[in-house]
Amino acid sequence: KQEVTQIPAALSVPEGENLVLNCSFTDSAIYNLQWFRQDPGKGLTSLLLIQSSQREQTSGRLNASLDKSSGRSTLYIAASQPGDSATYLCAGGSNYKLTFGKGTLLTVNP
Amino acid sequence: GAVVSQHPSWVICKSGTSVKIECRSLDFQATTMFWYRQFPKQSLMLMATSNEGSKATYEQGVEKDKFLINHASLTLSTLTVTSAHPEDSSFYICSARVSGRIYEQYFGPGTRLTVT
Repeated sequence: KQEVTQIPAALSVPEGENLVLNCSFTDSAIYNLQWFRQDPGKGLTSLLLIQSSQREQTSGRLNASLDKSSGRSTLYIAASQPGDSATYLCAGGSNYKLTFGKGTLLTVNP
Repeated sequence: GAVVSQHPSWVICKSGTSVKIECRSLDFQATTMFWYRQFPKQSLMLMATSNEGSKATYEQGVEKDKFLINHASLTLSTLTVTSAHPEDSSFYICSARVSGRIYEQYFGPGTRLTVT
C-alpha cells in the first residue's frame, strides 16, 4: 500500500527566499508523481506532473524532481512571493490510483 | 481543456436527509471518475472509483450503502450521501480520468457539505 509523507507540515519564509518542500513515498512502482496547490477552502490546482521515466519538471519558478530509487520528490520554489502562500500536496500514482500526502502549509511573509 | 465541474459548490443539509453531488467532465469523456473526501487540515482520501456503466469500487472502510455512486454517462458521475450525519460534513472532491490516458486525473473544484 502506497504511503506518502510530506515534510515539513508547515513552513514560514520571508518573501524572496528560495525554498524546498519534501515528499517521500513507499511504493517505488509509482508511474507518476504530482504536485498540487490548494488554497483555503478551494479545490486542487495541478502544478507539475513527473512521469516515472523523468527526473524533473519545471514550470516558471517551480521545479520538481523525482528519485524513485530513494522514494523521494522535492518541489523547489524560487524567489517566493506572498501569492505562493497555500498548502502544497504531493500525490503518488500507483495501481491506477493517486495517494496524497498531508501537505505542507506554506506562508510567505511580505 | 480537461475541465471538471462539481455541483453544488457548497450545501447545508439537516441530519437524516440525503444529498447528491454531481461531477461532470466538460470537454472530455471520462470512463473513470474518482471521489475523494478531505477533512479539515487533512489530506484527500480516496473513497471510491467509479467506472461508467458498472458498479463503483469502494476503498476499505467506506460504506457503499451510505455513499451511493452512479456513473451513468461518460461525462457525469454522482455521489449521494444518504441519511447524512454531522460526521459526514467534509469537503468532497471528484476527479476524472481522460479515456485512454490512465495515468492522469483532472480535479473538480470540490463541494463543501455541512450537515446540521
